[in-house]
Amino acid sequence: QQPVQSPQAVILREGEDAVINCSSSKALYSVHWYRQKHGEAPVFLMILLKGGEQKGHDKISASFNEKKQQSSLYLTASQLSYSGTYFCGTGVSGSARQLTFGSGTQLTVLP
Amino acid sequence: DSGVTQTPKHLITATGQRVTLRCSPRSGDLSVYWYQQSLDQGLQFLIQYYNGEERAKGNILERFSAQQFPDLHSELNLSSLELGDSALYFCASSEGDPTEAFFGQGTRLTVV
Repeated sequence: QQPVQSPQAVILREGEDAVINCSSSKALYSVHWYRQKHGEAPVFLMILLKGGEQKGHDKISASFNEKKQQSSLYLTASQLSYSGTYFCGTGVSGSARQLTFGSGTQLTVLP
Repeated sequence: DSGVTQTPKHLITATGQRVTLRCSPRSGDLSVYWYQQSLDQGLQFLIQYYNGEERAKGNILERFSAQQFPDLHSELNLSSLELGDSALYFCASSEGDPTEAFFGQGTRLTVV
């Protein structure tokens, strides 16, 4: 079953923060975050594994709450280059390879 | 550039036809994944191969098949094409799983 992402779309001004959530009805083994710009391939952001710690690089970080079966992606002090559609892909226990992607969150950062 | 090469970039074909999409993974990556992206279905996992063997299967239709060759390149074969098969088909590769996967630029298939 497809994970649920929220919000579906968000518009920010440069420098503002955003949070994108990803929830699953199944027990998760891994959560993968990707960003896709229009007409381009998805680009890997980070992966969070069950039992692992919160990940982050630069001003993008993510958390993984195993009990709630959800992950959140945090974008701090957003830049114009952050615009795009963010997808979470979830791997459930026993079939971590078979990622099921959410429908995406469209993020637009305005100057 | 992710290092994953997909050919062709665009493909237009008629209903009922058969096409083959090709993917060359990043050097050293043993895993190849195929995804279908359409407006109404989003990004759907189709199938994964690891070092020549099928490793995981997703929502892949029986009309579709894939294989990974000894040189690790992969092909996705789509047959008896229908209008609804029109989509962007992505190939991704990774060293192992679950690890970072690198996506190719995709093949845009249009069935008319």
